Amino acid sequence: QKEVEQNSGPLSVPEGAIASLNCTYSDRGSQSFFWYRQYSGKSPELIMFIYSNGDKEDGRFTAQLNKASQYVSLLIRDSQPSDSATYLCAVNWPNFGNEKLTFGTGTRLTIIP
Amino acid sequence: EAQVTQNPRYLITVTGKKLTVTCSQNMNHEYMSWYRQDPGLGLRQIYYSMNVEVTDKGDVPEGYKVSRKEKRNFPLILESPSPNQTSLYFCASSSGLAANTGELFFGEGSRLTVL
Repeated sequence: QKEVEQNSGPLSVPEGAIASLNCTYSDRGSQSFFWYRQYSGKSPELIMFIYSNGDKEDGRFTAQLNKASQYVSLLIRDSQPSDSATYLCAVNWPNFGNEKLTFGTGTRLTIIP
Repeated sequence: EAQVTQNPRYLITVTGKKLTVTCSQNMNHEYMSWYRQDPGLGLRQIYYSMNVEVTDKGDVPEGYKVSRKEKRNFPLILESPSPNQTSLYFCASSSGLAANTGELFFGEGSRLTVL
């Protein structure tokens, strides 16, 4: 059973602080890792992907991947109220592209003004 | 405007009454997929299609059918809906095997209630 685990939250972070979201996965063969953001009542949208160990930065967002420990995280710097959403971690199956992604249940993030 | 369009957006039906949720994309994407989203269970894949006439089961295919006769359309068919199929359904599409970008374009969702 391929699993992707996330803390469901809610995670409350003051405005301007760093929000840290974590995700662990069970299949060591997974190669690509994705973070989607889903606002309440809306559809998910991709915000970052990472497939190499280490950090990947995009604006206020940093994705971190540690394949040895099987975790991937998302840091949001200078958190804004508009970052309040559910963040979904997704992992691909080994030997597949994004046609088979396993999603976590998501972490609900609330930024407190 | 590039988009994935699902219909209906909201539907209340009764057990056993066949229904179809349509999905259409205007981005010429090869890949399309259906997901259901349930509280505490996240997004789970129902079926996916790599191209016209090519479909495969996802993680929770029981009770659903799909077809891919045209590249732009990927309807989800519930032949005999049951209450456990009450859920929020998303259609998604992507350009080919975008293994390293993972960008799925999602429709707005279809909330289905089966009484």
